[in-house]
Amino acid sequence: DAKTTQPTSMDCAEGRAANLPCNHSTISGNEYVYWYRQIHSQGPQYIIHGLKNNETNEMASLIITEDRKSSTLILPHATLRDTAVYYCIVRPAGSNTGKLIFGQGTTLQVKP
Amino acid sequence: EPEVTQTPSHQVTQMGQEVILRCVPISNHLYFYWYRQILGQKVEFLVSFYNNEISEKSEIFDDQFSVERPDGSNFTLKIRSTKLEDSAMYFCAGQIDTEAFFGQGTRLTVV
Repeated sequence: DAKTTQPTSMDCAEGRAANLPCNHSTISGNEYVYWYRQIHSQGPQYIIHGLKNNETNEMASLIITEDRKSSTLILPHATLRDTAVYYCIVRPAGSNTGKLIFGQGTTLQVKP
Repeated sequence: EPEVTQTPSHQVTQMGQEVILRCVPISNHLYFYWYRQILGQKVEFLVSFYNNEISEKSEIFDDQFSVERPDGSNFTLKIRSTKLEDSAMYFCAGQIDTEAFFGQGTRLTVV
């Protein structure tokens, strides 16, 4: 699986957009970019995923660069409850796509 | 979000004892997974399970571990003879389409 690089930590003011970057320069053509988060030792929570087009759902937006070597997760209006560790994971499309290789992620602290 | 239920939420066991951790995925999940997270460390993949057999396992998943789905609903992880280093959060996950949905975990403490 391709390796990802994320900043260790970030701060964001409540109500502002949180932009979490991820580098995945060795991503291959059949690999998707997934984002999960983990709120204080709870189970990881699926956020969003994409292949090459930008994606948006009720939780977040995912912006993938044209060369697919990096992406940004955007939480449009961060709340205190968005404080969590955010994981960017790349993995191949396929039936066993539940297997996830977690890195250290980015600890996002949303401040009042 | 599809809910995966794990029981118990916390289990304390003596070293050398057997433990069984239970998970109830959503009925239309196809793949099932166990992960663990030692305190302060990364979430680690243990095993994936499909069509009533293991489809993939990590190096962590040695002979002390086993999984089964005996009745088509419960999905269990058994540790035969627990060691102190088995103390961790254990997360079950079920897969719908291409997304995996996790339970809230069982905290296993081996004393």
